[in-house]
Amino acid sequence: GAVVSQHPSWVICKSGTSVKIECRSLDFQATTMFWYRQFPKQSLMLMATSNEGSKATYEQGVEKDKFLINHASLTLSTLTVTSAHPEDSSFYICSASRAGEGRGTQYFGPGTRLTVL
Amino acid sequence: QKEVEQDPGPLSVPEGAIVSLNCTYSNSAFQYFMWYRQYSRKGPELLMYTYSSGNKEDGRFTAQVDKSSKYISLFIRDSQPSDSATYLCAMSLSGNTGKLIFGQGTTLQVKP
Repeated sequence: GAVVSQHPSWVICKSGTSVKIECRSLDFQATTMFWYRQFPKQSLMLMATSNEGSKATYEQGVEKDKFLINHASLTLSTLTVTSAHPEDSSFYICSASRAGEGRGTQYFGPGTRLTVL
Repeated sequence: QKEVEQDPGPLSVPEGAIVSLNCTYSNSAFQYFMWYRQYSRKGPELLMYTYSSGNKEDGRFTAQVDKSSKYISLFIRDSQPSDSATYLCAMSLSGNTGKLIFGQGTTLQVKP
């Protein structure tokens, strides 16, 4: 158990457009979902934390108006990159924590590779 | 200084070797320590989860935490080519805030 999916797995878009990435917990209810960004050969950097029905908490330096997070249900969170620019090209990964295990344990999705032209 | 330091490697070993992967950290408040395995272009997969100091074993994997030295290790016995991946250490503060701080990751290649 504890499977997390992401869609799409790969997206290319033009500069100035918006892109939505979905993160779903397939076989469990996720009390909290997390969004990370990973640049090539670098580690994962937490962007924001979201709880179902609440506003997301963004890490310092992450623009909340640019990276819109909606946690609509206990199994779905979305990240929308608005007015994307080439510097937003990265690997975006979501994770989810399961009720009863605490937020120290996170199950990661397969990631979405975003390329902005 | 980064909160979590991890040698990026790459580390190349022959099949069957014992692999030792390590991370050091600076924040003594970290209480939860994890090791993740990440294959190329995939999301990280949780391998080991340890609370506070001590050892934990799961099959061919052993995780060690030495809080006095701020040093954690992952040992892989009888390494296999399928173990070739990037291994990320991660840690979080007490109180279970959920925020994970990751090391840079060590790339491991196990040669047949």
